Amino acid sequence: GAGVSQSPSNKVTEKGKDVELRCDPISGHTALYWYRQRLGQGLEFLIYFQGNSAPDKSGLPSDRFSAERTGESVSTLTIQRTQQEDSAVYLCASSYKGSDSPLHFGNGTRLTVT
Amino acid sequence: QKEVEQDPGPLSVPEGAIVSLNCTYSNSAFQYFMWYRQYSRKGPELLMYTYSSGNKEDGRFTAQVDKSSKYISLFIRDSQPSDSATYLCAMNSPGGYNKLIFGAGTRLAVHP
Repeated sequence: GAGVSQSPSNKVTEKGKDVELRCDPISGHTALYWYRQRLGQGLEFLIYFQGNSAPDKSGLPSDRFSAERTGESVSTLTIQRTQQEDSAVYLCASSYKGSDSPLHFGNGTRLTVT
Repeated sequence: QKEVEQDPGPLSVPEGAIVSLNCTYSNSAFQYFMWYRQYSRKGPELLMYTYSSGNKEDGRFTAQVDKSSKYISLFIRDSQPSDSATYLCAMNSPGGYNKLIFGAGTRLAVHP
């Protein structure tokens, strides 16, 4: 498949546990983005990668959230000590270059914190 | 006030109707305007992409941008049940990267 792949598709975790979400972008896409979508709301920007550097992390809600990317490949979003308000769909997108190229989204990871 | 306002609906129309979806925004720096369609439990997919003001047509879909009023629209002609989805507007400023600002999305149901 040539699309953006995210895993797991669903994750249920207990409050206080750490979770790791994975994104495989489209091959050749240098830019990668993480967005969060809460129920009934639009997408909130979290972080942007160009290659393996993150020029903009301004959307990460707290220091419990971190992300990394290996080269121009896989990215992981880690949430430590999860809280119930972290429950949302976490969407990853990639684009060919940083600006003016359309985003291609994965189907997201639905995170539920109990 | 949110940067992008979008009526969440839901909007229910009969098959064959013309659908009008709208967003307003406050940041005059926005120059790229997009409409995404999101089916349940799927990621958003890009429908229309417009730069600056004007109209753009693609099949049954027409996107309009009125920068003077800070208002964008998506029209769907001859709506089909397969058009039932959430429609998200998104916009961006030039010169940077795709830090898109999204509306909340309008849920559309087209019934046979």
